[in-house]
Amino acid sequence: ILNVEQSPQSLHVQEGDSTNFTCSFPSSNFYALHWYRWETAKSPEALFVMTLNGDEKKKGRISATLNTKEGYSYLYIKGSQPEDSATYLCAFPSGTYKYIFGTGTRLKVLA
Amino acid sequence: DSGVTQTPKHLITATGQRVTLRCSPRSGDLSVYWYQQSLDQGLQFLIQYYNGEERAKGNILERFSAQQFPDLHSELNLSSLELGDSALYFCASSVGRGVVETQYFGPGTRLLVL
Repeated sequence: ILNVEQSPQSLHVQEGDSTNFTCSFPSSNFYALHWYRWETAKSPEALFVMTLNGDEKKKGRISATLNTKEGYSYLYIKGSQPEDSATYLCAFPSGTYKYIFGTGTRLKVLA
Repeated sequence: DSGVTQTPKHLITATGQRVTLRCSPRSGDLSVYWYQQSLDQGLQFLIQYYNGEERAKGNILERFSAQQFPDLHSELNLSSLELGDSALYFCASSVGRGVVETQYFGPGTRLLVL
């Protein structure tokens, strides 16, 4: 059974702090890794689609890196703001194109 | 607003009943995905359609079925409903069918089975 794990489960940081979290996935048969941001009472919003080993993508203060050989991706937020408070999900499409989601990292940024 | 619409927003029904959830993808998107978010589970992939054809199937129960129509809207049919089917059901859409496609999520349909 393929497993996608995210850590930590939850995180509280102060406004202005930088933070990062991890998504671990099976390193064999890698196709892509998706990152989503999911605010309470809203729907998931796509952040990045990572495809190549060593990929680094950036969107404002949020960036992500990918290591397909060891099976992990990091999401970084620089200078966290209260509006960054959300659950950050990663999703791994398996060989049969089924999307397996991690349980997410719940981030709370304290003002 | 992602451009993906789902109706209804909320649905309350009884065990044993059948319901239909509807999704309209973003203009130009050919793929539609269905997901289930239960209280005790993370986001679960149910099924993907691309241009009217089933593309990928996840952990979708046999009591559930879906289809995508020629106008590209999709319906998820849930029958013989059980209490455990209470969940938030999301639809997402993307332009293409591949795993590198960015998916745009709709606002979801919250189903409560009593």
